[in-house]
Amino acid sequence: DAGITQSPRYKITETGRQVTLMCHQTWSHSYMFWYRQDLGHGLRLIYYSAAADITDKGEVPDGYVVSRSKTENFPLTLESATRSQTSVYFCASSDPGRIAKNIQYFGAGTRLSVL
Amino acid sequence: AQRVTQPEKLLSVFKGAPVELKCNYSYSGSPELFWYVQYSRQRLQLLLRHISRESIKGFTADLNKGETSFHLKKPFAQEEDSAMYYCALQTGTASKLTFGTGTRLQVTL
Repeated sequence: DAGITQSPRYKITETGRQVTLMCHQTWSHSYMFWYRQDLGHGLRLIYYSAAADITDKGEVPDGYVVSRSKTENFPLTLESATRSQTSVYFCASSDPGRIAKNIQYFGAGTRLSVL
Repeated sequence: AQRVTQPEKLLSVFKGAPVELKCNYSYSGSPELFWYVQYSRQRLQLLLRHISRESIKGFTADLNKGETSFHLKKPFAQEEDSAMYYCALQTGTASKLTFGTGTRLQVTL
């Protein structure tokens, strides 16, 4: 089931560098989300998008930028990476339609290390 | 603000023993609650949701609004149940989820 894919799966970068994590879904889901997963914090929402060109902040948006020019893509950019952004990043999508209402489908994750 | 609490970081049980993963939430409105599971080397996936009132892989969860809880239960644990379990609360209309910190279930022989 590869309806939502993330790339790269692993990334090592240095502090101060710009990094973009990609997320692509083939279901035409309207909603897309970015979470970070950290020990002791679970998953925390960074940004989400209700549709193309509509994005909004989540719980921990500082240091991140998102865009959504097409429904299927939702890239996450770290403008100037910091060590505190070392984490596992998950992209998810959902369709508020009647049958699978509000169920989120997750990508495999990107493990990012900032040195 | 909404909050989800999973008090146990690790729950270790023997195969065949009952399992209960605790989840408490705080939210002033009408909650929609989920359990997501992450098996080793697999992506996070939905296990069950309270509005479905179904049993998945032998797991059930009942929403108790009085105690603001949504504990996950299974009468007899299996080795393949070993995984990370997250309780999640959905609020509002934007399909956003607030996750708990997760409980790692370890089922041993």
